[in-house]
Amino acid sequence: DAKTTQPTSMDCAEGRAANLPCNHSTISGNEYVYWYRQIHSQGPQYIIHGLKNNETNEMASLIITEDRKSSTLILPHATLRDTAVYYCIVRDIYSGAGSYQLTFGKGTKLSVIP
Amino acid sequence: ETGVTQTPRHLVMGMTNKKSLKCEQHLGHNAMYWYKQSAKKPLELMFVYSLEERVENNSVPSRFSPECPNSSHLFLHLHTLQPEDSALYLCASSPGQGAHIQYFGAGTRLSVL
Repeated sequence: DAKTTQPTSMDCAEGRAANLPCNHSTISGNEYVYWYRQIHSQGPQYIIHGLKNNETNEMASLIITEDRKSSTLILPHATLRDTAVYYCIVRDIYSGAGSYQLTFGKGTKLSVIP
Repeated sequence: ETGVTQTPRHLVMGMTNKKSLKCEQHLGHNAMYWYKQSAKKPLELMFVYSLEERVENNSVPSRFSPECPNSSHLFLHLHTLQPEDSALYLCASSPGQGAHIQYFGAGTRLSVL
């Protein structure tokens, strides 16, 4: 699976948009980009995923660059409850052995500030 | 509420004790997972069950013994643990093979004294 690089930490003012970047310059054509988050002392929570096109759901938007080497997760109106570690994961859904593996790196710790 | 329930939420045990962690999913999923999250370390996948058959075992010591009696329940039996096994143990489920949208429980915080 392609490696991802995320900033260690970010701050965002409450009510503003939080834009979390992720670099995945070695991504291949079959690899999707997934985002999860983990609120302190809870299990990770799936947010969104995409392949090429931008995606939006009730939680967030995912913007993937045309060359697919980077992406941005956007929380349009951050609240205090969005304070969490956000993980960007790249995964080939067609891989064989180890196809269950989701590799969680260190992620970005987002702090939403009142 | 994610549809994945773990009990207990907190557990303290001595190195000679035997205890079990329980996970139950109400999502109709076919795959279930155990992860370990130690302080300041990324999540580590321990075991994967698909349709009640163990399909992955990531070099986990034998003092951890998983059991999957049916597709809705997953156990992690613990015996003669070490203090370094203290961690957050997370259970997850997914619809099936290769599914990368996994639903996690809240975890069991384990302390080994």
